[in-house]
Amino acid sequence: QQPVQSPQAVILREGEDAVINCSSSKALYSVHWYRQKHGEAPVFLMILLKGGEQKGHEKISASFNEKKQQSSLYLTASQLSYSGTYFCGTEPSSYKLIFGSGTRLLVRP
Amino acid sequence: DAGVIQSPRHEVTEMGQEVTLRCKPISGHDYLFWYRQTMMRGLELLIYFNNNVPIDDSGMPEDRFSAKMPNASFSTLKIQPSEPRDSAVYFCASSVSPGAQPQHFGDGTRLSIL
Repeated sequence: QQPVQSPQAVILREGEDAVINCSSSKALYSVHWYRQKHGEAPVFLMILLKGGEQKGHEKISASFNEKKQQSSLYLTASQLSYSGTYFCGTEPSSYKLIFGSGTRLLVRP
Repeated sequence: DAGVIQSPRHEVTEMGQEVTLRCKPISGHDYLFWYRQTMMRGLELLIYFNNNVPIDDSGMPEDRFSAKMPNASFSTLKIQPSEPRDSAVYFCASSVSPGAQPQHFGDGTRLSIL
């Protein structure tokens, strides 16, 4: 079942912070985060594993609440380059990612 | 290092024609995934392979869709016959392992069926 992302869209000024949430109805093995710019491929940002391990980006952080099957992506001091659509991909069973519908982020000067 | 390579980048064809999309995964990646992205349905997994063997094809929409991976460096996704509702961006991705490692996406094939 597709995870639910919120908000659907965010508009920020450069330097502001944002939080994007991802929620699943199923127990998860891991949560992946990707960013996609218009007309381009999704690019990996972060993986959060059951048990607390994180792999990913230096300037973007995330959390994973295993009990609630929820993850949040934290974008601090946003830059213009952060604009794009952010997808979470949840892994309810081995080897299969199910992507959310995406959160569109626009950072303005 | 070369990333995932897909061809063609764009394909426009008429309804009823056969369409073949191609993908070369990153060398050393044992897992290959085919996704379809549309505005209505988002990013959907169609099928994935492990060591050239199809593992899960439950996302393949119809028998008109088929995928093969004859060797570790090449995969195809074929639609025959094509229909206008197949219009979408098709992505191929590869991974060292599917769960705890990132998936690396190709640039996609933008398919338009007239």
